[in-house]
Amino acid sequence: EIVLTQSPGTLSLSPGERATLSCRASQSVNNNYLAWYQQKPGQAPRLLIYGASSRATGIPDRFSGSGSGTDFTLTISRLEPEDFAVYYCQQYGTSPGFGQGTKVEIK
Amino acid sequence: EVQLVESGGGLVQPGGSLRLSCAASGFTFSTYWMSWVRQAPGKGLEWVANIKQDGSEKYYVDSVKGRFTISRDNAKNSLYLQMNSLRAEDTAVYYCVRGITFGGLTYYFDCWGQGTLVTVSS
Repeated sequence: EIVLTQSPGTLSLSPGERATLSCRASQSVNNNYLAWYQQKPGQAPRLLIYGASSRATGIPDRFSGSGSGTDFTLTISRLEPEDFAVYYCQQYGTSPGFGQGTKVEIK
Repeated sequence: EVQLVESGGGLVQPGGSLRLSCAASGFTFSTYWMSWVRQAPGKGLEWVANIKQDGSEKYYVDSVKGRFTISRDNAKNSLYLQMNSLRAEDTAVYYCVRGITFGGLTYYFDCWGQGTLVTVSS
């Protein structure tokens, strides 16, 4: 079973700044089948990125995903007020697992 | 517009049972694997179970095996989760989720319902 570890736990940034979120897998994720989700308080998660780097429908291009093997990154190029939320990575499998989340909060 | 609407959550005593339902619309339900994902209060996301398009394959997280049963009715565009022998640690918001799955491997979840809260407490 692949375990995903996200860092940092909390990221304190100001609107307009760049956010870099990390997701590290305990073993290689085949074919980069890794996804990212955004969750705002009281809301369901929303798919942002799949296949490590493909943006889901309707996701702004300030969100980008990269990485391969065991190290993956979600980058938000310029934080908008609506981007302050919790972000989760997820790896594929018969028992798909999630990372523990990174909270992006307003500094 | 794709919509997933859960119902059936509530307060139940430890050892009790509950059946969650999910009504799907806006897409061809019978052509997608479907899943349940839960989130305990203040915690992260945990995949619970999924089911193949025709119901012939089902997978569960170890912690619910033998207690929870996922099922679907394609004629009614509905997904279900029968939860028996409930424990305090099953307390969570349960989301009905559409999964992009091939060969039993779920790659990502592209549509989520708003969730229904299940509280297991005496």
